[in-house]
Formats: sequence, C-alpha cells, structure tokens
Amino acid sequence: QSVLTQPPSVSGAPGQRVTISCTGSSANIGSGYDVHWYQQLPGTAPKLLIYANSNRPSGVPDRFSGSKSGTSASLVITGLQAEDEADYYCQSYDNSLSAGEVFGGGTKLTVL
Amino acid sequence: QVLLQESGPGLVKPSQTLSLTCTVSGASISSGSFWWSWIRQPAGKGLYWIGRIYMTGSTSYNPSLRSRATISLDTSKNQFSLKLTSVTASDTAVYYCARHDGDYSGGVDYWGQGILVTVSS
Repeated sequence: QSVLTQPPSVSGAPGQRVTISCTGSSANIGSGYDVHWYQQLPGTAPKLLIYANSNRPSGVPDRFSGSKSGTSASLVITGLQAEDEADYYCQSYDNSLSAGEVFGGGTKLTVL
Repeated sequence: QVLLQESGPGLVKPSQTLSLTCTVSGASISSGSFWWSWIRQPAGKGLYWIGRIYMTGSTSYNPSLRSRATISLDTSKNQFSLKLTSVTASDTAVYYCARHDGDYSGGVDYWGQGILVTVSS
C-alpha cells in the first residue's frame, strides 16, 4: 500500500482533458513537501514530467500541468494524444515512520 | 548528456547479497546540487524508493530496507553502488539508479535504463 494514493486507472478520448490525483497526508504533501510527476512508457524508465508541484522541465509540452493544494496534488493533461498512454507516478517526501522519498502507486492512462 | 548505467548480476540466490553499481557519465557525482538514489519496481507494480546518497557520503534509506541496504560512493570511478543483504524472492524487481536535482527541488531528472534482478535458486 503506497503512502501516496493515486487512482489505478483513468481514460479519455483524444483531444480530451484528464486529471490524475495524488492524495497524501500531513506527513508528506500537507507538510509542504514538493510533488513531482513522472511518465513511464511501457518497458522504459520513468521520465520527469513536472517538478516542484507545477514546473515543467524543458521539452515537456505545456499540455501537461500540475498543481498542489493541502494534502493533495493533481496532474492535468489536456489535448490528449495517443502517445500519452502510459503509467503516471507522483513522488514526494514523507517525514513520518516512512521517512524518505515516497511514490504513489501509479495511474494507468488509457487513450480511448 | 548525462547517462546512468546499472550493472551487476541478473540472478541472485535467496539469502545471498545483491550488489549493483551505477556508472555515471556526463556529470560528476561529487559536485553540484545533486543526490543519487536507488529505486526498484517489481514486475507490474509501482516504484519503490530504496535509499539515497549525497556527495558527502551521507545516506538515507527506506525504513523497511534500512537493516539490509547499503549505498556507497566511489568518486574515483564516478560510481555509486547498492548492496542488499539476505535477499528473498520479494526482492525480485527492476532496479533503477537515479539522479535527483536540487534545482528541480529533488525531482529525478535522470534515470538509468534499469536492470532486472531475479532472486531464485
């Protein structure tokens, strides 16, 4: 069971908008720790998509955006494309007994 | 271009020690606002942080693996390593080495390609 909770799956048609949530607690996201998001295509290593809640590394399309509020964070993908079909993970830091870097369980995005 | 490459045995017997090395090219592991982690992913499952090391040699581990994991640096070879003792089948996973960038608030900007380690007799 992951410290950060993500929906197992989301789906959307090409061109649509989807949101992936990442719910934590007062020991991690709620303590002010930044949230990062990764995209993992099948058979490959994860790729940094969003860092520090809402920032995009160079080369990441602006169709991807992130936000954080309270004990949760969200990744929004607009103008969905077939190549967005992948697993998405959130990451933050936890200062409880699970102290250290923590990941969400991952969300499988299916483009219909 | 920064590259991370994991190396080590792909098969380890139960109760033995898993040893992996990450060779870093295109960046120095002993400079900059970076730190270095090992992360694993069992087949069909999510990402699991094992531990990290700073260029000072200071380490931090996932509490569930702290008693079995050791991460070390070899600055002369620009490498860092993972040792995991007393392995069982539940340690079977793809193991990634990764670089956290302080300028990215600790987000992992570079990953190795991953190495599959199977624990089996």
